[in-house]
Amino acid sequence: EAQVTQNPRYLITVTGKKLTVTCSQNMNHEYMSWYRQDPGLGLRQIYYSMNVEVTDKGDVPEGYKVSRKEKRNFPLILESPSPNQTSLYFCASSSRDRDSYNSPLHFGNGTRLTVT
Amino acid sequence: RKEVEQDPGPFNVPEGATVAFNCTYSNSASQSFFWYRQDCRKEPKLLMSVYSSGNEDGRFTAQLNRASQYISLLIRDSKLSDSATYLCVVNSLNTGNQFYFGTGTSLTVIP
Repeated sequence: EAQVTQNPRYLITVTGKKLTVTCSQNMNHEYMSWYRQDPGLGLRQIYYSMNVEVTDKGDVPEGYKVSRKEKRNFPLILESPSPNQTSLYFCASSSRDRDSYNSPLHFGNGTRLTVT
Repeated sequence: RKEVEQDPGPFNVPEGATVAFNCTYSNSASQSFFWYRQDCRKEPKLLMSVYSSGNEDGRFTAQLNRASQYISLLIRDSKLSDSATYLCVVNSLNTGNQFYFGTGTSLTVIP
């Protein structure tokens, strides 16, 4: 089954304790992206990647890191989490083949992070 | 100016009603357009892509107006299960295959 898999689904942690949220897709998609969603603010892009070893900042990258060492994986790293990073996080992927310009985003099922 | 703008609603409609959502986008070079549905605290799920000639999927009809830079979603014969937030998403290859999201329109269908 084609899917984007995020783990964990729920995470409660304390300020300053490094954490990683994993994201993996099995559709051979070039494009992957991380979003956070907060009430009243909609989906905001954190980082994105056009392909392996290519990553770029989105709208709200501060406090986050990503890596794209393999095509299928795009982990989100919070080196020193703070309470303002409490949010609902989504990973998504898409094909960016020129012939697939209509390719939509496929979302993972989300990670609800609470930083105390 | 935001890349994509949507009326946040909320829209509260009775069962069986027809409801329409509009969304405007600012990048005239945008190439791909989508409507997503998001249930509370769940991931957005693709409802339908929007094609230049307009397209229909059961009770749902999507339209694209490139001249005026807006897309629309029409839901006929609303069901209780249609209650959700509907997100307008625009993809622009000239900005590096970036996807731009509206803030979503909340729909509640009332018995």
